[in-house]
Amino acid sequence: QKEVEQNSGPLSVPEGAIASLNCTYSDRGSQSFFWYRQYSGKSPELIMFIYSNGDKEDGRFTAQLNKASQYVSLLIRDSQPSDSATYLCAVSDSNYQLIWGAGTKLIIKP
Amino acid sequence: ETGVTQTPRHLVMGMTNKKSLKCEQHLGHNAMYWYKQSAKKPLELMFVYSLEERVENNSVPSRFSPECPNSSHLFLHLHTLQPEDSALYLCASSHAQHESSYNEQFFGPGTRLTVL
Repeated sequence: QKEVEQNSGPLSVPEGAIASLNCTYSDRGSQSFFWYRQYSGKSPELIMFIYSNGDKEDGRFTAQLNKASQYVSLLIRDSQPSDSATYLCAVSDSNYQLIWGAGTKLIIKP
Repeated sequence: ETGVTQTPRHLVMGMTNKKSLKCEQHLGHNAMYWYKQSAKKPLELMFVYSLEERVENNSVPSRFSPECPNSSHLFLHLHTLQPEDSALYLCASSHAQHESSYNEQFFGPGTRLTVL
């Protein structure tokens, strides 16, 4: 059974601090990794993807991938109240289908 | 506003009703997906169409019937549903596997379904 694990939270972070979200996966053959943000009552929105080991930065967001340890993380710098949402980790399996985590709820406190 | 639209946005139906969900994508993709999202659970992939052919059917009950008449449109036909089928139904699209190794999926706004 291919699995993607995330801490359900909620993760509470003060405004302006760094929020760190983590995800582990079971399929060593996975090649593509995605972070989606989902506001309450809305659909998932793609915010980052990463394919290679290391860091990928996009504005306040940094995705980190470690294939040897089978984890991927998302860092949000200078957290804003508008970052409060559920963050979904998705991993592409060998058939290019996405396996989803249940999401981590992030709360940014003003 | 994304390039994937879904109608209706909300649907309440009885267990004996027949209804259909519609999805349309304007992104030039040729793979489309139906997902079910229940509270506190991961997204559940229901069906995948690539180049208008069904390539995935994850043991979904026959009371759910998909239809993909072309690469831009996807339907989910519903009949004799159960209360436990109440959930958010999400449509997504992406490039087909053979066209790209990058299979980012883009979602529509979803249909909130309640079965009484």
